[in-house]
Amino acid sequence: DTGVSQNPRHKITKRGQNVTFRCDPISEHNRLYWYRQTLGQGPEFLTYFQNEAQLEKSRLLSDRFSAERPKGSFSTLEIQRTEQGDSAMYLCASRSGRGRGNTIYFGEGSWLTVV
Amino acid sequence: GEDVEQSLFLSVREGDSSVINCTYTDSSSTYLYWYKQEPGAGLQLLTYIFSNMDMKQDQRLTVLLNKKDKHLSLRIADTQTGDSAIYFCAEIINNDMRFGAGTRLTVKP
Repeated sequence: DTGVSQNPRHKITKRGQNVTFRCDPISEHNRLYWYRQTLGQGPEFLTYFQNEAQLEKSRLLSDRFSAERPKGSFSTLEIQRTEQGDSAMYLCASRSGRGRGNTIYFGEGSWLTVV
Repeated sequence: GEDVEQSLFLSVREGDSSVINCTYTDSSSTYLYWYKQEPGAGLQLLTYIFSNMDMKQDQRLTVLLNKKDKHLSLRIADTQTGDSAIYFCAEIINNDMRFGAGTRLTVKP
């Protein structure tokens, strides 16, 4: 399967701990997105990369959140000093930058529960 | 608040058609999408439509776009129990995809 892959799928952590999620996009896609989704809501945009450059960040992305895509391939999303309000599903998506490739494909998501 | 609006619930009987509606606010959106999400899973792309099209049909799915009213709909013909899920309408503006809150479709046998 060459779709968008996310790890871990589930993470339970104590408040105050740091967590890191990884996303492996579709191999030829140079655009990568992170979204957050809480129960009963649609996904909310967090940040966007084109290759290794982080071009956009939402106001939702507080100082405790940092995302990287060091070689323009996989990406990590780290949350420091987690709070209960960070409990959500974190979705990664990728998109080709070529031609008519404007379709965004999502991974299965990483569930975070902060206790 | 969300720029994309959808009704939250829809219930149909198996074999009937389902119509899920969506309104969006940005007339410059070039692509509009429908995604399906089953419990605990990510978003599965169902179909999309270019803003210069009025209709797109793909097997049991029909998408209608009314640009004047900024209205998008998804019709599922011969709805099956496996179609029960949350359906999200989304628009892409520049590099940002914006979603509605989702419509929960329940299919009764």
